[in-house]
Amino acid sequence: KAGVTQTPRYLIKTRGQQVTLSCSPISGHRSVSWYQQTPGQGLQFLFEYFSETQRNKGNFPGRFSGRQFSNSRSEMNVSTLELGDSALYLCASSYGLAGDQETQYFGPGTRLLVL
Amino acid sequence: AQKVTQAQTEISVVEKEDVTLDCVYKTRDTTYYLFWYKQPPSGELVFLIRRNSFDEQNEISGRYSWNFQKSTSSFNFTITASQVVDSAVYFCALSEAGNTGNQFYFGTGTSLTVIP
Repeated sequence: KAGVTQTPRYLIKTRGQQVTLSCSPISGHRSVSWYQQTPGQGLQFLFEYFSETQRNKGNFPGRFSGRQFSNSRSEMNVSTLELGDSALYLCASSYGLAGDQETQYFGPGTRLLVL
Repeated sequence: AQKVTQAQTEISVVEKEDVTLDCVYKTRDTTYYLFWYKQPPSGELVFLIRRNSFDEQNEISGRYSWNFQKSTSSFNFTITASQVVDSAVYFCALSEAGNTGNQFYFGTGTSLTVIP
């Protein structure tokens, strides 16, 4: 069974631009969660999607948004990029809602650098 | 307050030594799950173990073992006879019973370096 895949793996953008990251969950998994990882803040939850609906959202500004498609694939978008958005963005999938004690399986991440 | 505390930021051991990574959690729920993940330099978090709050039996998987003690709210992870490939950042995580949504809390991680 293929694992969680994320594209692109690396990205360089400049301030003010926008970016879209993609995540394909493990086949059969319906929940996709996104996390931002930085050296200073550690792993921070962005949002979770289940059956195309956002189920929960972390404490991030509205510049961070996401969506999920009918095949459970998910995208996250960051608009008006800031230097502080440079981070490793990790996607995790689980069969059910992560809050229902489901094990989350992570992708390799997208490393975003904002210049 | 931190839900999951990993007090050890960085640990270095010489190959073949045993090492224990500490994890202390805080929850008022009676039903919860604890996890350990490994993050090698490549960046992907690799799932290691999941343990529910009703199962306090220690678990051993090869060189890895986990000690779950509800009395001290700890879920420690021991690597026996460490190897260079064990070098990674290890995260402990807590998932609380929730009606909806993600209630998944990660610790800040312990960076383990195994010196050959």
